[in-house]
Amino acid sequence: GAVVSQHPSWVICKSGTSVKIECRSLDFQATTMFWYRQFPKQSLMLMATSNEGSKATYEQGVEKDKFLINHASLTLSTLTVTSAHPEDSSFYICSATRTGPRNYGYTFGSGTRLTVV
Amino acid sequence: QKEVEQNSGPLSVPEGAIASLNCTYSDRGSQSFFWYRQYSGKSPELIMSIYSNGDKEDGRFTAQLNKASQYVSLLIRDSQPSDSATYLCAVSGGGAQKLVFGQGTRLTINP
Repeated sequence: GAVVSQHPSWVICKSGTSVKIECRSLDFQATTMFWYRQFPKQSLMLMATSNEGSKATYEQGVEKDKFLINHASLTLSTLTVTSAHPEDSSFYICSATRTGPRNYGYTFGSGTRLTVV
Repeated sequence: QKEVEQNSGPLSVPEGAIASLNCTYSDRGSQSFFWYRQYSGKSPELIMSIYSNGDKEDGRFTAQLNKASQYVSLLIRDSQPSDSATYLCAVSGGGAQKLVFGQGTRLTINP
């Protein structure tokens, strides 16, 4: 159990366009989803936390108008990179968890490799 | 001070030996602790989770947590070349709170 599907696995886009990445929890209701970005040879940096039906909470230094996060249902969160530029090229990874009486841990998607040309 | 700190390595260990990975964290309120393994270009995969002081063993892996000293470690016994990867320590406040990662330790197991 606890599977998170992330799509697309890779995408190449032109500078100035927008890209949407989807993260779906397949067999559980994800009350909370997290979006991370990872640059080469660096660790995962948390970008934002989203709770179903609420506005996302962004980490310091992350532009909320550039990285739009929507968590409209308990099984789907999306990250839209607006007006993408080459410096946005990175590995984006989502993670999902749920609240409850025990520790459910965090389930990660397989990641999306974004290349902006 | 970073929230979660690891020695970035690289750490090189001969095959069959014990690999020891360490991590310290700054938030005393942290409740949940995780070790992930990440291969190049892939998403992290969970190796161990630990929530209370002491040791937790799972096969060749042992996680150790000391909340008073704010450190968590991972021991890999009988290291195999397939264990070569980056190991990420991650900490959260428990429940559905955000998970913060250390910078990772690159481990190489030499045949």
